[in-house]
Amino acid sequence: DAGVTQSPTHLIKTRGQHVTLRCSPISGHKSVSWYQQVLGQGPQFIFQYYEKEERGRGNFPDRFSARQFPNYSSELNVNALLLGDSALYLCASSTGQGGNQPQHFGDGTRLSIL
Amino acid sequence: EDKVVQSPLSLVVHEGDTVTLNCSYEVTNFRSLLWYKQEKKAPTFLFMLTSSGIEKKSGRLSSILDKKELFSILNITATQTGDSAVYLCAGRSGGSNYKLTFGKGTLLTVNP
Repeated sequence: DAGVTQSPTHLIKTRGQHVTLRCSPISGHKSVSWYQQVLGQGPQFIFQYYEKEERGRGNFPDRFSARQFPNYSSELNVNALLLGDSALYLCASSTGQGGNQPQHFGDGTRLSIL
Repeated sequence: EDKVVQSPLSLVVHEGDTVTLNCSYEVTNFRSLLWYKQEKKAPTFLFMLTSSGIEKKSGRLSSILDKKELFSILNITATQTGDSAVYLCAGRSGGSNYKLTFGKGTLLTVNP
């Protein structure tokens, strides 16, 4: 079975631009979460979606938004990009919303801001 | 604010050594503690712990949770060069926000 897939794998943008990152969860998984990982740090929680509704939000500015589609895939949008947004963006999926299922991660999208 | 602290931040050992990685946590509405291995890209799931005192094992890796003292350890016996990676610990909260709060990770280097 395919794992969590993310696209694109790498992206280079300039300050002020916007970006859309995509994630397809493992088949049968209904929950998708997004994380930002900067070099030398652990992943930091951005959003969780379950059944197309936002169920959790981390401490990120309103420039960050996301949505989940009927097929449970998800997009993360970031507007007005800043140099500090350069990071690895990870998507994770799990079967349900609750705390008793592990999250499985994709390989991430490496975003570089020039 | 939820917090997870891992120690040591880095560790260099020789093949065959046994290592213990530490993780302490302060997580609101704590539900579970997860360990991941990250090599180049995706963190790979290792263990999820929800009950205190019950050891989980997978081959040479094992982990245990102490919910009273709010910590967990990950043991790796007879280390191999393929164990070289960053090991991440994360606490999962419940309530209305099922987020994972990660520590900074422990960089393990196993030399031949």
